[in-house]
Amino acid sequence: ILNVEQSPQSLHVQEGDSTNFTCSFPSSNFYALHWYRWETAKSPEALFVMTLNGDEKKKGRISATLNTKEGYSYLYIKGSQPEDSATYLCASPGGSQGNLIFGKGTKLSVKP
Amino acid sequence: ETGVTQTPRHLVMGMTNKKSLKCEQHLGHNAMYWYKQSAKKPLELMFVYSLEERVENNSVPSRFSPECPNSSHLFLHLHTLQPEDSALYLCASSQEGGTRSTDTQYFGPGTRLTVL
Repeated sequence: ILNVEQSPQSLHVQEGDSTNFTCSFPSSNFYALHWYRWETAKSPEALFVMTLNGDEKKKGRISATLNTKEGYSYLYIKGSQPEDSATYLCASPGGSQGNLIFGKGTKLSVKP
Repeated sequence: ETGVTQTPRHLVMGMTNKKSLKCEQHLGHNAMYWYKQSAKKPLELMFVYSLEERVENNSVPSRFSPECPNSSHLFLHLHTLQPEDSALYLCASSQEGGTRSTDTQYFGPGTRLTVL
């Protein structure tokens, strides 16, 4: 069974700070890495799907990198804003059927 | 209406009740999913349907019974639940439901279930 781990569990930053957090996964039999953003009382929203080692993806102030050889991905937020407050989930296909296995998430709070 | 919708958003039920959760997707996707999120735990996959056929039952107790009458609708029928089944139940859809798919999953807002 694939274990997807995220750290830190929670993070509190001031508006304007840049921040980053980590998703780690087994590097063997890697297939893909998904990042989602989940605001309270809303639906999880897809940010990125990453498949290639060394890949870097960007969406506005949010970017992500992928290292499949060592089994980690970083999510970066530049100049955090209060509207970035959410739980950020990562997931990777695993298990017997290759369905998505999710981490517990990193809960980000941005104070104005 | 677009995206993935779920009803009801909140549900309180007794252990002897029978209720159903409904999910509808307006994206033309072929695969639909039920997930459960309990407090302090990651999202756990319950069921996967691809082209209206169940392709995954992730060791879910029989008191949870899914139904997929067509590719746009997914139900989760609940019967004789336990208080520990209280959780957020999320529905999702994706274009395809093959194993190890790189397809993005699109989620509904979830149903917050409380079992008394």
